[in-house]
Amino acid sequence: DTAVSQTPKYLVTQMGNDKSIKCEQNLGHDTMYWYKQDSKKFLKIMFSYNNKELIINETVPNRFSPKSPDKAHLNLHINSLELGDSAVYFCASSPVTSGTSGSMYEQYFGPGTRLTVT
Amino acid sequence: SQQGEEDPQALSIQEGENATMNCSYKTSINNLQWYRQNSGRGLVHLILIRSNEREKHSGRLRVTLDTSKKSSSLLITASRAADTASYFCATVRGSNYKLTFGKGTLLTVNP
Repeated sequence: DTAVSQTPKYLVTQMGNDKSIKCEQNLGHDTMYWYKQDSKKFLKIMFSYNNKELIINETVPNRFSPKSPDKAHLNLHINSLELGDSAVYFCASSPVTSGTSGSMYEQYFGPGTRLTVT
Repeated sequence: SQQGEEDPQALSIQEGENATMNCSYKTSINNLQWYRQNSGRGLVHLILIRSNEREKHSGRLRVTLDTSKKSSSLLITASRAADTASYFCATVRGSNYKLTFGKGTLLTVNP
């Protein structure tokens, strides 16, 4: 009964290849995210989808393309992989609770996918 | 750009002691959240404090928020070896969905 799952857990590939990471959540949440955590553990948001619509697109190379076939899935496709893409990629999801001061929510993270580009 | 900045970067204490971690941020926020990350795992949400709240408790956790100083602290009382992890603060600005994380504090609790 995993809440947010990602596959694969580890991904080792060569420069120039294209790869995909899949994410699924069974929490019934409307919003999903992709984060990148670098070797210094710094976490940065890449994309966010709300009910299959892109709502956050940070300054990410266009080699990265998210795809949300339905609100329970958010996949990340990466073209022409580079050494600097090596990192841990986390998927997350959240409910959206409207409070008196705007959106209040917590995020539920998947276990991460460690991508190593050689 | 990075919003939160935790200090210390690393903290080592003995089991049973209290651990305090601080987080400073740069701009006004809607809410601030603390997350824990065990080694090799995903992040786990600990506590959320809204901008109009000053203090919140959850079990052995106590979070304070001082919006005038743009800072927050996380106190873990009576620490256990299982509390060993990295702790991150994250801020939400306005009504968007984006969490902006700090660099984290690595807490080591020695048995």
